[in-house]
Amino acid sequence: DAGVTQSPTHLIKTRGQQVTLRCSPISGHKSVSWYQQVLGQGPQFIFQYYEKEERGRGNFPDRFSARQFPNYSSELNVNALLLGDSALYLCASSLALSIPEAFFGQGTRLTVV
Amino acid sequence: AQTVTQSQPEMSVQEAETVTLSCTYDTSESDYYLFWYKQPPSRQMILVIRQEAYKQQNATENRFSVNFQKAAKSFSLKISDSQLGDAAMYFCAYRITKNTGNQFYFGTGTSLTVIP
Repeated sequence: DAGVTQSPTHLIKTRGQQVTLRCSPISGHKSVSWYQQVLGQGPQFIFQYYEKEERGRGNFPDRFSARQFPNYSSELNVNALLLGDSALYLCASSLALSIPEAFFGQGTRLTVV
Repeated sequence: AQTVTQSQPEMSVQEAETVTLSCTYDTSESDYYLFWYKQPPSRQMILVIRQEAYKQQNATENRFSVNFQKAAKSFSLKISDSQLGDAAMYFCAYRITKNTGNQFYFGTGTSLTVIP
């Protein structure tokens, strides 16, 4: 059974551009969350979606948005990229809100130049 | 506010020896989960062990065990018989149980080196 898959694995963008990152959860998992991991830090929570509805938002600017599709896959969009947005973006999926374990993908490494 | 603190940025251990990684957390909640995740160079976060706050018994998973001190808000990870494959970044994480899904709060990580 496939794990959490994220695409692309690496991405280089220019300041001011927009980027879309994609995540496919484990089959049957309905909850998807996004995290930003800056080099040398632990992951920081950005968004959580469950059954296509936003269920949580971290302390990130409105330039960050996300959505979840009927097949439970998810996209994270970041507009007007800043150098500080350079990070590893991790997606995590879990069966349901009440399930404590989350399974992470390998992340998308975003570099903003 | 929920915070997780890992005071050891780097640790090293001889192969086959035992090492303990420290973690403290701050919360006003009474019901929550604590986790240790491992992040190798492949970048994927891998669950090592989980502890429910309401359980007094410390969790164990093969060579990995925790020392959970709820009153002290301490959650350390002990790795016994260390292996080369244990080398990675280790993150302590916290999550409350109010059906809020998988919003984790992570520490800053401890980089573990295993010396052959």
